[in-house]
Amino acid sequence: GAVVSQHPSWVICKSGTSVKIECRSLDFQATTMFWYRQFPKQSLMLMATSNEGSKATYEQGVEKDKFLINHASLTLSTLTVTSAHPEDSSFYICSAREGLHNEQFFGPGTRLTVL
Amino acid sequence: AQKITQTQPGMFVQEKEAVTLDCTYDTSDQSYGLFWYKQPSSGEMIFLIYQGSYDEQNATEGRYSLNFQKARKSANLVISASQLGDSAMYFCAGGGSNYKLTFGKGTLLTVNP
Repeated sequence: GAVVSQHPSWVICKSGTSVKIECRSLDFQATTMFWYRQFPKQSLMLMATSNEGSKATYEQGVEKDKFLINHASLTLSTLTVTSAHPEDSSFYICSAREGLHNEQFFGPGTRLTVL
Repeated sequence: AQKITQTQPGMFVQEKEAVTLDCTYDTSDQSYGLFWYKQPSSGEMIFLIYQGSYDEQNATEGRYSLNFQKARKSANLVISASQLGDSAMYFCAGGGSNYKLTFGKGTLLTVNP
C-alpha cells in the first residue's frame, strides 16, 4: 500500500520560534498533498491543499503567512509554523493522493507542543 | 461543499459481533466519494474503505463493508466479527471533485471482550 511519512513525529519548541514539518510519499508520486490539524478529542480540519510546483491554497480562517507550505517535488511537502504560539499546539497530519486515485493516504502525524 | 454527520459519539460492541457506525452526508457535487478511516490512540489515520457516488455495488474490504444508500444520503460502515483491536476512533469523510476531504466528528468504538 501507499506509504506516507512525516518528520518529526513530535516536537516541542519555545514560543516565537518556527517549526518545519516534512511530509513524504515514499512509494508513489503525490499529485496533491493536504495538511490537516487536529485538536484533542476533535476531528481533522483541512488547513491547506498543496500541489507540486504551485502555491498552496488555504482554507478560510487559516493564516497563510503563519503556516507556510512548500511542495517542492512530487514526493515532498513541508509545513512551517512560523512564530509559533501555545495556541498552535496541535496534531498536524498530512495526506497525499496519487494521480487519478481518490484515496488519500495519511502520514503518522506530528504532535507540536509550543511552550 | 460537503457536510458529514456522525451522530454516535461512542459505540460499544461485544467481541465477535457486528457493529454499524452511522454516517450521513450532504453535498452539492454530482460526483463524490465517501471514505472511512480508523484512528487508534497512536493518532495515525488508517484508510479502511471507499465508495464512489456512481458505484452501484456497496464497497467491501475484508471485515469492512459500506452500506451506501444514496437516496437517504447515508454511508454506514459495518464491521463484522469485531476484534479487540478494532477499538479506535472512526471517521467518515466525504470528498468531491476537488478531492478535499471533509470529516465527521467521529465515533469512538469500544470492543468488549
